[in-house]
Amino acid sequence: DIHMTQSPSSVSASVGDRVTITCRASQDIGSWLAWYQQKPGKAPKFLIYAASSLQSGVPSRFSGSGSGTDFTLTISSLQPEDFATYYCQQANTFPLTFGGGTKVEIK
Amino acid sequence: DVELVESGGGLVQPGGSLRLSCAASGFTFSDHYMDWVRQAPGKGLEWVGRIRNRPDSYITEYAASVKGRITVSRDDSKNSLFLQMNSLKTEDAAVYYCTREKCDISGCYWYFDLWGRGTLVTVSS
Repeated sequence: DIHMTQSPSSVSASVGDRVTITCRASQDIGSWLAWYQQKPGKAPKFLIYAASSLQSGVPSRFSGSGSGTDFTLTISSLQPEDFATYYCQQANTFPLTFGGGTKVEIK
Repeated sequence: DVELVESGGGLVQPGGSLRLSCAASGFTFSDHYMDWVRQAPGKGLEWVGRIRNRPDSYITEYAASVKGRITVSRDDSKNSLFLQMNSLKTEDAAVYYCTREKCDISGCYWYFDLWGRGTLVTVSS
């Protein structure tokens, strides 16, 4: 199975900060990567697919980049509603796998 | 509204069985591949299983951790997805999410663009 490693596991940031989360795959997955946002007690929300394509309705402050094994999710200016846990997910190889999550907390 | 609504969760003893259901509305259910994803309390996300659409022969695929113990099925006439779970273990306790794969004219992709609210399965004696 492809192992997805996210870093950091948690980050403290303030409103307006730029936040970058990294996701590393244990083998080449091309651009077959998605990002999700999950708030406590809620279902995950789909943010980005194909590493850098923004899902319809997602604010443009979210962006994704990378290919191969190294990927990043960037929030350009953190908003109060962005405090949540973020997960990456590879869609290249069966079985699909998720990263362990990165919690974005209020500083 | 476009939504997925799960039901059927609850408390079951180890070794028991449970059938989860997911009602879809607001989109053409039959076009999409559908999946189940679970999340144990305080833990991350784990993909459980998938069923393709009719053009792709309703092929099913399962995670190794549940293969042989679960069956994913669908009823396109009722816009419904199901997860039959047998021989349940304590480690199967989780919130189970019904999810829709993102599809376009080229096909369906293992990205989950719609999630239900989830249904909680507790496995305990």
